[in-house]
Amino acid sequence: DGGITQSPKYLFRKEGQNVTLSCEQNLNHDAMYWYRQDPGQGLRLIYYSQIVNDFQKGDIAEGYSVSREKKESFPLTVTSAQKNPTAFYLCASSIDGTVRSTQYFGPGTRLTVL
Amino acid sequence: AQSVTQPDIHITVSEGASLELRCNYSYGATPYLFWYVQSPGQGLQLLLKYFSGDTLVQGIKGFEAEFKRSQSSFNLRKPSVHWSDAAEYFCAVGGGRRGSTLGRLYFGRGTQLTVWP
Repeated sequence: DGGITQSPKYLFRKEGQNVTLSCEQNLNHDAMYWYRQDPGQGLRLIYYSQIVNDFQKGDIAEGYSVSREKKESFPLTVTSAQKNPTAFYLCASSIDGTVRSTQYFGPGTRLTVL
Repeated sequence: AQSVTQPDIHITVSEGASLELRCNYSYGATPYLFWYVQSPGQGLQLLLKYFSGDTLVQGIKGFEAEFKRSQSSFNLRKPSVHWSDAAEYFCAVGGGRRGSTLGRLYFGRGTQLTVWP
C-alpha cells in the first residue's frame, strides 16, 4: 500500500526536551511538508521541502528543525525553544511541490508536553 | 498575501438536508483551490480541487464546489447530508513565491459539521 506513515501516534514530552517526529512516504513524491494544527486555527505550515537536501521555512518555523537526507523521509524535531509545542502535527507530501500538485496527508502525531 | 476565510466555525444540519460550507479567498492571480475533510484524530483527505475550466467541480462522496471569481468564493455543497459526513472541513488556496516553482497551501480555520439524525 502506498501512503504516508507518521510515528508515533501519541507522544509525550517533558518540558526542556527535544523530540523527533517521524514521517515516511512510499509514494515516490519529491515534496514533503509539516503542519501544526491547533483547535480553531486550521493548519499552519512549519517547514516544507521540494527536493532532497533542501527545505524552506514556513509560517511558524521557530523552535522546529527538519532534515531531508532521503526522498522518502522528512523528520521534524521539536526543540526546547518551542514555547508551546502541544499540538497535532501533520505530515504531507506531493508529487513535485508545485502549486498545482495535490498534497496527501499522513494520520498525524499528537504531541503533549507534560 | 494569500489567505482563506471560512466564516462558519460550526454548522449543524439534519441528516438528509442540504449543506453549503462557505469559503472566501484572497489571491492575486488565478487561484488553485482545494477542499479537504478531516475525521477526528485523523489526517486530511482531499474532497475536490479547482484549477481552471468549468467552475462547478465534482468531488468524492457526493460533494461539489462552485468557483465564483467575482465573489472570490469557492463554496462546498452537498444536496443530502449523511451522518457519516460529520467531520471538519478545510478550504485551502495554493500559492507560491514569484519566480519559484515551489508551492504551498494556505488553509482556512475550518468548519466543524455536526449532523443530527
